Amino acid sequence: GENVEQHPSTLSVQEGDSAVIKCTYSDSASNYFPWYKQELGKGPQLIIDIRSNVGEKKDQRIAVTLNKTAKHFSLHITETQPEDSAVYFCAASTPSDGNEKLTFGTGTRLTIIP
Amino acid sequence: ETGVTQSPTHLIKTRGQQVTLRCSSQSGHNTVSWYQQALGQGPQFIFQYYREEENGRGNFPPRFSGLQFPNYSSELNVNALELDDSALYLCASSMGGSGANVLTFGAGSRLTVL
Repeated sequence: GENVEQHPSTLSVQEGDSAVIKCTYSDSASNYFPWYKQELGKGPQLIIDIRSNVGEKKDQRIAVTLNKTAKHFSLHITETQPEDSAVYFCAASTPSDGNEKLTFGTGTRLTIIP
Repeated sequence: ETGVTQSPTHLIKTRGQQVTLRCSSQSGHNTVSWYQQALGQGPQFIFQYYREEENGRGNFPPRFSGLQFPNYSSELNVNALELDDSALYLCASSMGGSGANVLTFGAGSRLTVL
């Protein structure tokens, strides 16, 4: 089955700086890659996703890049703000799983230092 | 538009007992997936329900079972509880068959097994 690895497990950045979180996946058939943000006491919330037919997607301060050849994808957050502090999870799924069975990474705890 | 609601939010059980967790899907969604999130880990897929039938299952034993009702709400049942079942149980709903893949998560039910 699919295996998703995520790095780093913790990340601290100064407010205003950029943060990058990286994930690798094992199943070359995976074609959907969402990123979720989980705040304390809440469920994961989708912040951005990318499909394998594109290499990059951007939404204001958040961007995701995908390298299908290397089987890795990354989350980029620019101009970080205190409210960006949370745990971030990457995930992957394949068409055979109906693209709704997600395999998650182990998470990155992002702390924004004011 | 209401989001995904789960109940109870917290519960404590002892080994060997049985537990039922409930989930109301987001308005307009017809598919429910359940995930187990152990402390400090990413969510793990348990199973999915579509049209009141199990539609995919992760690596969980048969003592984990579920139901989906005509109004698309769902239950997760766990029999013969073990200490390792202590976790946050997340329900996610989606519009199955749409290819959109976007899962909307609830805040979860935190189960502690003593």
